Amino acid sequence: AQSVTQLGSHVSVSEGALVLLRCNYSSSVPPYLFWYVQYPNQGLQLLLKYTSAATLVKGINGFEAEFKKSETSFHLTKPSAHMSDAAEYFCAVTSNSGGYQKVTFGTGTKLQVIP
Amino acid sequence: KAGVTQTPRYLIKTRGQQVTLSCSPISGHRSVSWYQQTPGQGLQFLFEYFSETQRNKGNFPGRFSGRQFSNSRSEMNVSTLELGDSALYLCASTDSGGTNTQYFGPGTRLTVL
Repeated sequence: AQSVTQLGSHVSVSEGALVLLRCNYSSSVPPYLFWYVQYPNQGLQLLLKYTSAATLVKGINGFEAEFKKSETSFHLTKPSAHMSDAAEYFCAVTSNSGGYQKVTFGTGTKLQVIP
Repeated sequence: KAGVTQTPRYLIKTRGQQVTLSCSPISGHRSVSWYQQTPGQGLQFLFEYFSETQRNKGNFPGRFSGRQFSNSRSEMNVSTLELGDSALYLCASTDSGGTNTQYFGPGTRLTVL
């Protein structure tokens, strides 16, 4: 079964610093990969997705993620953190289950941005 | 296209009652998934419906049930509510055209007293 590991349930960065949120998946077959962001009391919003077209994926709000097959990783980065980036971030991966794609979510990483 | 809508947004119930939550997916999406999110357990998958059939189910007791209608709208029902059922219930509609991207609604905040 597919699994997703997000290292660090809480990450703190200073405003203006690099944001790096880690995600590793378990699969020998390149899947589809996603990053979502959730603000308090809201649903999850799609940030970006990897669909095998390009290994470096650019998303909304200045975020990007790089698919590295050799490391089975899909880490999320942003060069300069903004206060509005404080939220919880979820990595997700699809896997083939009985002829359709099943989505598995990571446990989430809460990002705190310190002024 | 309009996004995923969930009603109601907030709900307060007492133990032992039952509740029904509704989700309208994005037009054209035939798959709807439900999740429970709590501070302690995080995001947990409840079930998924595709073309009115449940095709995937998480590890929840039988008090949690769902259904999907011919117009792809979905409802989930929780019977005999317990305090631990207090959570944010999220619905996601899936674009089955290729990447199976899930698009989430704003959620229903259920409080059980």
